[in-house]
Amino acid sequence: ELKVEQNPLFLSMQEGKNYTIYCNYSTTSDRLYWYRQDPGKSLESLFVLLSNGAVKQEGRLMASLDTKARLSTLHITAAVHDLSATYFCAVDCTSGTYKYIFGTGTRLKVLA
Amino acid sequence: KAGVTQTPRYLIKTRGQQVTLSCSPISGHRSVSWYQQTPGQGLQFLFEYFSETQRNKGNFPGRFSGRQFSNSRSEMNVSTLELGDSALYLCASSLGASGGKTQYFGPGTRLLVL
Repeated sequence: ELKVEQNPLFLSMQEGKNYTIYCNYSTTSDRLYWYRQDPGKSLESLFVLLSNGAVKQEGRLMASLDTKARLSTLHITAAVHDLSATYFCAVDCTSGTYKYIFGTGTRLKVLA
Repeated sequence: KAGVTQTPRYLIKTRGQQVTLSCSPISGHRSVSWYQQTPGQGLQFLFEYFSETQRNKGNFPGRFSGRQFSNSRSEMNVSTLELGDSALYLCASSLGASGGKTQYFGPGTRLLVL
């Protein structure tokens, strides 16, 4: 069964600090997605990671993928208040019955 | 370029009724995927349509169905509504089939089943 686990579930951090959100998944997949959701809003696609060792950066966010460890990280550099949101990772698996599974989400609050 | 639009934005139904939600993708996008978000189950994939064909389907009962039209607009239908169907329903479009692609999400339809 494909499981996707994120940690931490909640993260409160000071502006200017760095932190990492982890996304572990339980089966072979080469495709991992990161999304952002603001309260009461829809999802916004942040990154699509398609291969082992893939690294993508946008502003203060950087995502990486290690398919051997079945681990993706979302690193936040010098956090600002505007990054406060819930971040989801998701994995899809095309072997056998197709599955697209989201992690539980990490609620990030950046304190001024 | 206009974004993904979903109608209606809010909907209240009673148990046993059926509901149809609509999604218009970004112009030129041929793939539409549907997702359900609830506080209890989180985000779950419902199905994906590409060029009027269902490509992939999540683990939902047959009460949940969808279709895609030749202009790529998509509808999803839920029959015999249950209280647990109360959720935010999101659709997303992408240029090609969604696997490995960036998806663009609509604002969602909030369904409340009483």
